[in-house]
Amino acid sequence: DAKTTQPNSMESNEEEPVHLPCNHSTISGTDYIHWYRQLPSQGPEYVIHGLTSNVNNRMASLAIAEDRKSSTLILHRATLRDAAVYYCILRDRADGGATNKLIFGTGTLLAVQP
Amino acid sequence: DVKVTQSSRYLVKRTGEKVFLECVQDMDHENMFWYRQDPGLGLRLIYFSYDVKMKEKGDIPEGYSVSREKKERFSLILESASTNQTSMYLCASSSSGDGYTGELFFGEGSRLTVL
Repeated sequence: DAKTTQPNSMESNEEEPVHLPCNHSTISGTDYIHWYRQLPSQGPEYVIHGLTSNVNNRMASLAIAEDRKSSTLILHRATLRDAAVYYCILRDRADGGATNKLIFGTGTLLAVQP
Repeated sequence: DVKVTQSSRYLVKRTGEKVFLECVQDMDHENMFWYRQDPGLGLRLIYFSYDVKMKEKGDIPEGYSVSREKKERFSLILESASTNQTSMYLCASSSSGDGYTGELFFGEGSRLTVL
């Protein structure tokens, strides 16, 4: 299975942009890149996903390197409520696509300072 | 609002007891998953199901079994609980129709302590 590598933790100031990196050098040609986050005492929640092109939604932006070996989740203005563990995940292709099984790593713990 | 509901937020059981963790989703999703989460290890997949009465082993199925008799309900069973099964258990569901891009929806988790 293709793996991802993320920093264990990062710190940001409130209202500043945050760039959360993810390395996935063994990504396969049709692996999607998914990001989830987990707020304290809650289950993970979906943030964004992409394949090749950069993606934007109301929560964040996803910048994908041209060779797809890395990606960056961008929070444009961090708030205290963005303090969470952020997971970068590659879509597991072993099951042929039917079940959307995701393999989580340990993620990046983002601290946001007021 | 879409919802995945886990029956208990907190449970305390004794070693050797049989434990049932229930999960219900109201989104008519085909796929359901059970993960456990431990400090330093992230989320690990225990079992998943892509249809009623169907189940597949995840990465750490030992010591667990599952049941999916109805589409909306996926149960995790610990036949004989042990202290190393003390953990946070997370249930999730997704739609098969979304294939590689489908979003997983998680419950709030069940924290199990085995004494």
